[in-house]
Amino acid sequence: DGGITQSPKYLFRKEGQNVTLSCEQNLNHDAMYWYRQDPGQGLRLIYYSQIVNDFQKGDIAEGYSVSREKKESFPLTVTSAQKNPTAFYLCASAGQGVLYGYTFGSGTRLTVV
Amino acid sequence: QQQVKQSPQSLIVQKGGISIINCAYENTAFDYFPWYQQFPGKGPALLIAIRPDVSEKKEGRFTISFNKSAKQFSLHIMDSQPGDSATYFCAASKGAQKLVFGQGTRLTINP
Repeated sequence: DGGITQSPKYLFRKEGQNVTLSCEQNLNHDAMYWYRQDPGQGLRLIYYSQIVNDFQKGDIAEGYSVSREKKESFPLTVTSAQKNPTAFYLCASAGQGVLYGYTFGSGTRLTVV
Repeated sequence: QQQVKQSPQSLIVQKGGISIINCAYENTAFDYFPWYQQFPGKGPALLIAIRPDVSEKKEGRFTISFNKSAKQFSLHIMDSQPGDSATYFCAASKGAQKLVFGQGTRLTINP
């Protein structure tokens, strides 16, 4: 089945630690996105990539980093510089021209302990 | 100009009633308007989408109404059911550019 997979589903981070969230898609989509969602809030764009080896900052990129070495993969690293990382993180992908909208993963819930 | 404003933030409807969620945009270049449905702990899923060359699109109990001159579009859920309780997001995009999302509406259908 084609889809987008996020792992892990739950992640716990200690203060000062970097953690990496995985996002893999087998939809042959060019574009991939990372969003942050806080309780009861909307979707805030962290980073996005429209092609391999290229990515752009979204609205809240500070404290986060990404890479896009393969078309299928777009991992997000939450660094220690992100002071309030507890949130629900969503990865999405889109085919050419977002003609059929985004396909979202099932999310990773990150908690600082 | 890139914003999409969604209202209401939350909505409670009785079972069998009509749920209506509204969105307004400013960028007249937007040419794709999808709606997403998100259940708690899950990622959003595409529900229905419309392009500006039509004024209405219906899929089952879900209808998008589009008013190009007013720069508004809305989602209507007919015969609302408890299983429709979720958060709904409208969005808009221009060409191949990324989607701009509304702030979301938490819909609760009372049995």
